[in-house]
This record gives sequence, C-alpha cells and structure tokens, in this order.
Amino acid sequence: EVQLVESGGGLVQPGGSLRLSCAASGFTFSSSWMHWVRQAPGKGLVWVSRISGDGSTTTYADSVKGRFTISRDNAKNTLYLQMNSLRAEDTAVYYCAYVLRPYYFDYWGHGTLVTVSS
Amino acid sequence: QSALTQPASVSGSPGQSIAISCTGTSSDVGGYKYVSWYQQHPGKVPKLIISEVSNRPSGVPDRFSASKSGNTASLTISGLQAEDEADYYCSSYTTSSIYVVFGGGTKLTVL
Repeated sequence: EVQLVESGGGLVQPGGSLRLSCAASGFTFSSSWMHWVRQAPGKGLVWVSRISGDGSTTTYADSVKGRFTISRDNAKNTLYLQMNSLRAEDTAVYYCAYVLRPYYFDYWGHGTLVTVSS
Repeated sequence: QSALTQPASVSGSPGQSIAISCTGTSSDVGGYKYVSWYQQHPGKVPKLIISEVSNRPSGVPDRFSASKSGNTASLTISGLQAEDEADYYCSSYTTSSIYVVFGGGTKLTVL
C-alpha cells in the first residue's frame, strides 16, 4: 500500500525558513517522480515543484523559484522541500504526491500546514 | 486568478445529473489530452477521479464521466448521491513554464 506522510509544517515568521519532509513507502521510491502541491486555506490546488527519481531533474512553479528547493534521499525514502524567504502567501497545506504517469497525481499524503505570519 | 476557469458552485438533487466545466486555452486543455479531475471532500485529501480527459481509475463509479471539446473540459456526474458533495478540481498539462495548472475548484452541493 502506498503511504506518504508529510511532516515539518508549522508557524514561521515572514522571511523565515522551514523544511518539509515526506516519508514514502509501498512503492519503488528511487525510480519515481515526486511532487509538492499546495492549497491555501479555502483556496484551490497549486502545483509547486517536482523531482526525478534520481534527483537530477527539478522543476519549480514561478511563484517559488529561487526560494524553495526540492530534494530527496532515496536511501531514506524521503522527499524534502526546503522553503526560504517565506511570505504570507506561502501559507497553505503542502501535500507530497506520487505520480504513476506524468501529469496525474495518483497518490497524495495527508498534508502538512505551513503558516507564515508575524 | 487560476489558469483554468471553473464555476464556483453547482448544485443538484439526488438522482439528477450535473456538469462542471473547465475552460482553458490551446496551450493547456485545448491542446493536449492530459486533462484530469480531482474530488476533494471537506478536510480530506484530493482524489484522482478522471485522467487523460475521460479515463476513470479503478474504483471510481461509472456515474462519473468526462469529455473535452476545444478549450473546455467537462465532468458529468449522473445519478447524484449525497456522498458526491465535494469540491472538484480540473487540471491540465500546460506549455507555460509550470508543470500543470489547476482550476479554481467547483463546490458541488447535493440538495
């Protein structure tokens, strides 16, 4: 059974940093593209970033480019999202997602809430 | 403002059929087959219910169907049930600098 468990969310001041983690199990993590998708409170879904199975290829939404860094540790079956220079508009539930095929998010974690506020 | 346009809300009575539209451009919905739909119940995780414009993953009831015409995709739910009350999001591959774009979501109310 595929399981994705996010952690690391919390309250952070504007300009601060936070690192999210997503522990994966139930599939071959090291050969799978992984994604982060976020959802602001009461708002819609927004794709944030993706990373290839070997970590060599990463892509970011324009809104986070240069501030967020996606990475992975295949030995630990864990996905990360390092978030720097956080802004109020980054406040959201952050989901990690596993895709079986490009462009479709087949499995989602339960999400972790990030609140950026002073 | 979301890249794909969905109605904010739709409603229907049990047993009825409803349709939710998702309008984009030739750079996303209209140009590619990579259109999908997600169902999200309040406080829950999104669930993929349609991929590749009209394909239902295993376990999704056949009451859910979808299609695309030009730059507009549509999700139809027939024989509405109370459990269908949820938010629905469309998504599409896009040639813009981002990977995929989502619609703003449609809240379905079963009266």
